[in-house]
Amino acid sequence: EDQVTQSPEALRLQEGESSSLNCSYTVSGLRGLFWYRQDPGKGPEFLFTLYSAGEEKEKERLKATLTKKESFLHITAPKPEDSATYLCAVQAGGGQNFVFGPGTRLSVLP
Amino acid sequence: ETGVTQTPRHLVMGMTNKKSLKCEQHLGHNAMYWYKQSAKKPLELMFVYSLEERVENNSVPSRFSPECPNSSHLFLHLHTLQPEDSALYLCASSQDRGGRYEQYFGPGTRLTVT
Repeated sequence: EDQVTQSPEALRLQEGESSSLNCSYTVSGLRGLFWYRQDPGKGPEFLFTLYSAGEEKEKERLKATLTKKESFLHITAPKPEDSATYLCAVQAGGGQNFVFGPGTRLSVLP
Repeated sequence: ETGVTQTPRHLVMGMTNKKSLKCEQHLGHNAMYWYKQSAKKPLELMFVYSLEERVENNSVPSRFSPECPNSSHLFLHLHTLQPEDSALYLCASSQDRGGRYEQYFGPGTRLTVT
């Protein structure tokens, strides 16, 4: 069974304190790994797609990396506006089946 | 309108009611999805439509009935729901890029079943 776990469940950082979020997956045939940001009461906002081990993507203070078993979302010098829940999802197999992780709730304090 | 829109944003319905959720995408995509997001649980994929044909149906109860009349519109028809069906229902769309998909989500409909 395809599974996605994320850690930590919640993370509190001081503004400027860099850290990383983890997404571990067990899937049969990874087609893509996705990171989303979700603010309370809103739909997820697409951030990155990673397709193969060793791939990296960057956007402002965020950098996503991928290995054969996990992905990391690195947040450099975060600001309070980076506070949100960060979701990881995988597309497995040959179809359009997407499995989401439970998310990491990030709080950045000023 | 841009992106993916959903109406209504909030819905309260009794267990004997019939209602419908509407989703519209303005991105020119050819696939659309319904997800359920319950408190303390990951997003659950419910239905997938690709080129207006249903391609995934993840063991969803028959009280949820999807409809995709064209590539821009997606509906979720609801009838005789249970209180445990209360959740945020999210619509998403994507473009098939050689079997690779990046999904863009709408704001969701907050459903409360009383």
